[in-house]
Amino acid sequence: EVQLVESGGGLVQPGGSLRLSCAASGFTFSSYSMNWVRQAPGKGLEWVSYITGSSDAIYYADSVKGRFTISRDNARNSLYLQMNSLRDEDTAVYYCARDVADCSGGTCYEIRFDYWGQGTLVTVSS
Amino acid sequence: EIVLTQSPGTLSLSPGERATLSCRASQSVSSSYLVWYQQKPGQTPRLLIYGASSRATGIPDRFSGSGSGTDFTLTISRLEPEDFAVYYCQQYGGSPRYTFGQGTKLEIK
Repeated sequence: EVQLVESGGGLVQPGGSLRLSCAASGFTFSSYSMNWVRQAPGKGLEWVSYITGSSDAIYYADSVKGRFTISRDNARNSLYLQMNSLRDEDTAVYYCARDVADCSGGTCYEIRFDYWGQGTLVTVSS
Repeated sequence: EIVLTQSPGTLSLSPGERATLSCRASQSVSSSYLVWYQQKPGQTPRLLIYGASSRATGIPDRFSGSGSGTDFTLTISRLEPEDFAVYYCQQYGGSPRYTFGQGTKLEIK
């Protein structure tokens, strides 16, 4: 059974830092790209960051670029999000999500997030 | 950036009725890259439809997706009580890599 379990959320002051973790199990972690997606209280979903299985491609939303760093440790089956210079507007539940696609001839189709963790709440407030 | 606009914002229907949710893109999106998710209160998002029309594993056949170009639709043929939730469309492509629509809340009338 695929499981994704986030941890590391909490209350932090503006300008502070936090490191989120996502522990994966039930699948070959290194074979899958992963994402972080966040949801502010009462709001919709916002994609945050993406990393390939081998960490050779990384992308960020403009809203977090230069402040957040995504990484992974395939030996530990873990995904991370280092969040620095936190702002009030970063307050949200942060989900990790598995990225899956059907790929052929170097092109990938039908990209989707098929498994999501339960989320971890990050609150940025003084 | 490709912006996805979902309508209506809130849809009030009764169990047994048909629901039609719209997702409009600001520029053309490949059908291969259009996805729908369901999120119930206090729960994590759940994959419903990918590739605009393919149902994810375990999704009942009362859920269907259609559309192409800039206009996509999620249809629930006969609403069950457990279908009342928020629905999001998502697309892949360009920068940012992924964008979500703002969501449609499907509520019991």
